[in-house]
Amino acid sequence: EVQLVESGGGLVQPGGSLRLSCAASGFTFSSYDMNWVRQVTGKGLEWVSAIGTGGVTYYPGSVKGRFTLSRENVKNSLYLQMNSLRAGDTAVYYCARGPPWHFDLWGRGTLVTVSS
Amino acid sequence: QSALTQPRSVSGSPGQSVTISCTGTNSDVGVYNYVSWYQQHPGKAPKLMIYDVTKRPSGVPDRFSGSKSGNTASLTISGLQAEDEADYYCCSYTGNYAYVFGTGTKVTVL
Repeated sequence: EVQLVESGGGLVQPGGSLRLSCAASGFTFSSYDMNWVRQVTGKGLEWVSAIGTGGVTYYPGSVKGRFTLSRENVKNSLYLQMNSLRAGDTAVYYCARGPPWHFDLWGRGTLVTVSS
Repeated sequence: QSALTQPRSVSGSPGQSVTISCTGTNSDVGVYNYVSWYQQHPGKAPKLMIYDVTKRPSGVPDRFSGSKSGNTASLTISGLQAEDEADYYCCSYTGNYAYVFGTGTKVTVL
């Protein structure tokens, strides 16, 4: 079955760190760009990061310098290292496959809560 | 990068057509033909409905269609059905491998 499964979410204090993982199956992971998109509860979607097939990464200004995206093609896995977390980073984080220019496969998401 | 502007809500009766607008700028929607649309039911992950402005992925009903004029993209749902009630988000490529989403529109089937 073609799917993405996120893990690693949880409660973390402001200033803390968390590492999210995304396990891909059912398709050739190494052939696709991959992304993270987050959604504050009850609010809209925000693109968080992207990584190309060659490993080059891209971030919006809101997370640049704090978040690091990486991939391990041998393990069909994507990782998002999040440092210096803030209350505003509280959201459901979705792993999304990007052909590129759009997102054609999404995971079910993992909730990150930043609170003291 | 500011979010693309969508109406907060639209509604229609079963069988009617509804159109959702998505207004950006000449730095995103107006310059790239990489607008996509996502449907999200409560508690579920988003689902791709339209990509590259007008293209429909396999499995998406043909009553969903997309278009663009200038800085505004649109999603039209023809022959509205009960299962179409959901939140809809547009998204545009903005260059330098970045993306911006719309503010979201709640579609209500009366």
